[in-house]
Amino acid sequence: DIVMTQSPDSLAVSLGERATINCKSSQSVLYTSNNKNYLTWYQQKPGQPPKLLIYWASTRESGVPDRFSGSGSGTDFTLTISSLQAEDVAVYYCQQYYSIPITFGQGTRLEIK
Amino acid sequence: QVQLQESGPGLVKPSETLSLTCTVSGGSISSYYWSWIRQPPGKGLEWIGYIYYSGSTNYNPSLKSRVTISVDTSKNQFSLKLSSVTAADAAVYYCASHIGGLAAAGLDFWGQGILVTVSS
Repeated sequence: DIVMTQSPDSLAVSLGERATINCKSSQSVLYTSNNKNYLTWYQQKPGQPPKLLIYWASTRESGVPDRFSGSGSGTDFTLTISSLQAEDVAVYYCQQYYSIPITFGQGTRLEIK
Repeated sequence: QVQLQESGPGLVKPSETLSLTCTVSGGSISSYYWSWIRQPPGKGLEWIGYIYYSGSTNYNPSLKSRVTISVDTSKNQFSLKLSSVTAADAAVYYCASHIGGLAAAGLDFWGQGILVTVSS
């Protein structure tokens, strides 16, 4: 299984400041034949299902604010929120779909400082 | 826009079989992959398995011996059965669709989830 490890486990950032969440996979999730990273980011608020933010590591889902961006390749990935808003308080998960079983990171809790 | 809704018993006895159904509306179940994911209260996400509308499946090896996912295209539904449940199977169970009709893809639309408790 590919193990996804997120850091930090929790993060407190001031409103309007940048938030950065990291995700490391135990093996590469870059599929060389199409040069795509099989990596997704989700946002989950209490009592709600996860919401897709970013797929293919850096493609923003339709309707997701452009303050959310994804970067990285191979085994190291980052989700960046450029200017934190109050509504961004949530738990964020990365997920790989390079191989079965599909696996998720343990989650990063983002709070307001 | 596709909407998914989980349904089934919220309480299952230990050693019995958990059975859930996901109803897809706003779109056809055909030509897409569909997954089940679970989340124990206060914990992270675990992928259970997926099914293609044709009926082909892929399961998490950790659950494979106990899981069956099936599809009913006439009802635009797919289902999950998990046998021999224990307290460790208590969780919110979600159904979700795969982006772009791909097996290897993120999950774009999710149901609201159904909490399943395991207790006698």
